[in-house]
Amino acid sequence: QKEVEQNSGPLSVPEGAIASLNCTYSDRVSQSFFWYRQYSGKSPELIMSIYSNGDKEDGRFTAQLNKASQYVSLLIRDSQPSDSATYLCAVRLSGGGADGLTFGKGTHLIIQP
Amino acid sequence: EAGVAQSPRYKIIEKRQSVAFWCNPISGHATLYWYQQILGQGPKLLIQFQNNGVVDDSQLPKDRFSAERLKGVDSTLKIQPAKLEDSAVYLCASSLNRGQETQYFGPGTRLLVL
Repeated sequence: QKEVEQNSGPLSVPEGAIASLNCTYSDRVSQSFFWYRQYSGKSPELIMSIYSNGDKEDGRFTAQLNKASQYVSLLIRDSQPSDSATYLCAVRLSGGGADGLTFGKGTHLIIQP
Repeated sequence: EAGVAQSPRYKIIEKRQSVAFWCNPISGHATLYWYQQILGQGPKLLIQFQNNGVVDDSQLPKDRFSAERLKGVDSTLKIQPAKLEDSAVYLCASSLNRGQETQYFGPGTRLLVL
């Protein structure tokens, strides 16, 4: 059974600071990793994906992956109040036809003005 | 480009009643997913379609849930009979094809079972 674990928070970060969100997963064959942002009452939207060990940067967002430790993280630099949301970590097995995502419970992030 | 459409947006029913949800994916998207999101949890995959065929329904409670995508476009998800624990948001997502990076989510249908 695949599991994705996240600290549910809330994680409170001052505006302008770096927000660090963490995720661990149990299935060693997981190959694709995603971070989704979900505002209250809205549907998830993809903000980052990462497939290889190391860092991937996109604007203020950096995803980090360590497959040996089964750990993936998301850093948000220069945090803005608009970043306040729930961040969902998701993993997907590679290969085969079934590629639905397994999500964690999400981390509720609050950016304090 | 129009996004994933879902209806109804909200539904309130009593336990043991039946309910159906409809999803229209992004035009040209071959892969369609239904997820269930219970309050405070992440979405959980219920079923994945590739065109009009089922790829994965291992987490679908088949004693009460059913889904179809007869013409490979629109899809319906049905619950019969509903239980209190089925109260959740039902999210439909689509992607261009299997293995594509981005799954685009619809606005969801919020179901309350009383």
